Amino acid sequence: EVQLVESGGGLVQPGGSLRLSCAASGFTFSSYWMSWVRQAPGKGLEWVANIKQDGSEKYYVDSVKGRFTISRDNAKNSLYLQMNSLRAEDTAVYYCARDPYSFHFDYWGQGTLVTVSS
Amino acid sequence: QSVLTQPPSVSAAPGQKVTISCSGSSSNIGNNYVSWYQQLPGTAPKVLIYDNNKRPSGIPDRVSGSKSGTSATLGITGLQTGDEADYYCGTWDSSLSEGVFGGGTKLTVL
Repeated sequence: EVQLVESGGGLVQPGGSLRLSCAASGFTFSSYWMSWVRQAPGKGLEWVANIKQDGSEKYYVDSVKGRFTISRDNAKNSLYLQMNSLRAEDTAVYYCARDPYSFHFDYWGQGTLVTVSS
Repeated sequence: QSVLTQPPSVSAAPGQKVTISCSGSSSNIGNNYVSWYQQLPGTAPKVLIYDNNKRPSGIPDRVSGSKSGTSATLGITGLQTGDEADYYCGTWDSSLSEGVFGGGTKLTVL
């Protein structure tokens, strides 16, 4: 059974940092692009970043470029999102999602809530 | 302001059909595959349609997708109260080198 389990969310002050993790199981993690998608409270979905199977390609939404870094450890079947210089507008539930190809997401985690507030 | 434009809400009676539109441009919908997601309250999104018109296993054939030019459409027939949810279209934008979603459409089954 494919499972994606996010962790690492919480309350952080503006300007602070947080590292999200996504533990994958039930499939060959190293064969898939992976993405982070977020959803602010009461708002729609926003794609944040993705990473190629071997980590050689990474893309980011403009609003997080230079502040967030996506990475993966295929040996540990894990996806990460390092978030620095956090802003109030980064407050959201962050989902990790698997992309089999053609940029669509067939499995999603349950999400982890990040709250940026003083 | 989303790159992809969806109507904020649609509604229809049980048993009826509804369509949800998703409008974009040549850099996104026009040259890339579109997918559609259903999100029930408090849950993660679930893919309904990928590659414009393909249904994952377990998605009934009363759900359909199509694409024409720079627009895509999700159709649901035989509406049920359980279809009440938010629906999102998504694709890749080749000019932005970013993934993009529509703003979402809330479906109400009256």
